[in-house]
Amino acid sequence: GENVEQHPSTLSVQEGDSAVIKCTYSDSASNYFPWYKQELGKGPQLIIDIRSNVGEKKDQRIAVTLNKTAKHFSLHITETQPEDSAVYFCAASFQTGANNLFFGTGTRLTVIP
Amino acid sequence: GAGVSQSPSNKVTEKGKDVELRCDPISGHTALYWYRQSLGQGLEFLIYFQGNSAPDKSGLPSDRFSAERTGGSVSTLTIQRTQQEDSAVYLCASSLEGQTLGKLFFGSGTQLSVL
Repeated sequence: GENVEQHPSTLSVQEGDSAVIKCTYSDSASNYFPWYKQELGKGPQLIIDIRSNVGEKKDQRIAVTLNKTAKHFSLHITETQPEDSAVYFCAASFQTGANNLFFGTGTRLTVIP
Repeated sequence: GAGVSQSPSNKVTEKGKDVELRCDPISGHTALYWYRQSLGQGLEFLIYFQGNSAPDKSGLPSDRFSAERTGGSVSTLTIQRTQQEDSAVYLCASSLEGQTLGKLFFGSGTQLSVL
């Protein structure tokens, strides 16, 4: 089965700096890679996703890059703000044929004001 | 409702007792998932319901765990004879049928503590 590894497990940055979280996956058939943000006491929320036919996707201060050859993908947050502090999870899935996601173990991001 | 609703938000129980956790998915969402999140860990898939199809139970860790989904809407996750290692946050998620895998909408979870 798929195995998703996520690094780092914790990350602290100064407000205004950038944050990068990296994930690797094992199954070359995976073709959909979402990122979820989990704030304290809440369930994870989808913040951005990327499909395997795209190398990069941006949404305001958030971007995700995908390297299919190396089987890794990354989340980039620029101009970080205190409200970005949360746990971030990457995931990988097949677009068809499977009915669950394989999640990374999460990154706790702390943005220091 | 506007989102996925889970109850109770917190449950403290004694080892050996049975517990029931409830999930109300977003109206119209035919797919429903249960995940378990242990402290400092990722999300562990437990079970998946899709419409009237037989559920995918491949993630259930033991036969003490079971789940039902009545009328294609509300779901109940039951843990029998709870053990301390069952302590975790149990998350429910739903999605639209046919929607791209991964666009899950999660509830806030039930924090289960087994003493």
